[in-house]
Amino acid sequence: QKEVEQDPGPLSVPEGAIVSLNCTYSNSAFQYFMWYRQYSRKGPELLMYTYSSGNKEDGRFTAQVDKSSKYISLFIRDSQPSDSATYLCAMNRLGNTGKLIFGQGTTLQVKP
Amino acid sequence: DTGVSQNPRHKITKRGQNVTFRCDPISEHNRLYWYRQTLGQGPEFLTYFQNEAQLEKSRLLSDRFSAERPKGSFSTLEIQRTEQGDSAMYLCASSSPGRQGTGNTIYFGEGSWLTVV
Repeated sequence: QKEVEQDPGPLSVPEGAIVSLNCTYSNSAFQYFMWYRQYSRKGPELLMYTYSSGNKEDGRFTAQVDKSSKYISLFIRDSQPSDSATYLCAMNRLGNTGKLIFGQGTTLQVKP
Repeated sequence: DTGVSQNPRHKITKRGQNVTFRCDPISEHNRLYWYRQTLGQGPEFLTYFQNEAQLEKSRLLSDRFSAERPKGSFSTLEIQRTEQGDSAMYLCASSSPGRQGTGNTIYFGEGSWLTVV
C-alpha cells in the first residue's frame, strides 16, 4: 500500500463549478502538506503549503488538512478552463526537508 | 528567468548509452533535489544536496546513477548504460532553509524528458 493515495481521475467539471480534490495518507508523522499543479509535460508548480491541521485560503484555492482522519483536500472555486491540469498532493515529515512523498495525481478537466 | 533551469529538456538515447542532465537551481537556494516521474505517477525522490554535500540517496538510485554538485551551485545527474526502464522525466528542484518548515517548499524545474530506445 502506498503512503499517499490519490484518485487519478480523470475528473471533468463544467466551468464555474467547485472542484474538490483529495488525498489520504497512512503515515501519521507527516506534518507538512502541499498541493502542486502540473500542466502536461511541464514541471510541478507549488500551489498551496500547509503545516499541520487546519485550513488555508489563497484566492480561489482552499487547502484543508484533517490529521485525525489522515485526509487532505484542495478546493477550487469558480473553476476555469485554465485550471485543467494534474493536481498532485505531497507531504513530508517534520525535519525531513525536501524529501516529499507525492500522490499519483488527479487529472482535472474544466469544460467551457 | 530566476526559476530552476534544466537542460536538455528532451533526450532520446539508445539503450546502453550514457546521458547527463544539468540543473541550475534558484540562485539563493542551497538545497537541490532530483526526482523522477513516470507517466501517470507522482514524482519520486532520488537524491538531495545541501550545498555540495549529497545528504541522502533513494534506493531508486541504482549504481548506474550518479549525481554531483561540485561547487554547491549547479548539479548534474548522469545515467550510465541506460535501460528502457530509465525512460522518465527527471525533475530538479531547489529550496532554501528559511523559517521552520519552509525548507519543505521546494520549487521544480520544467524537467528533462528521457526516452531510451
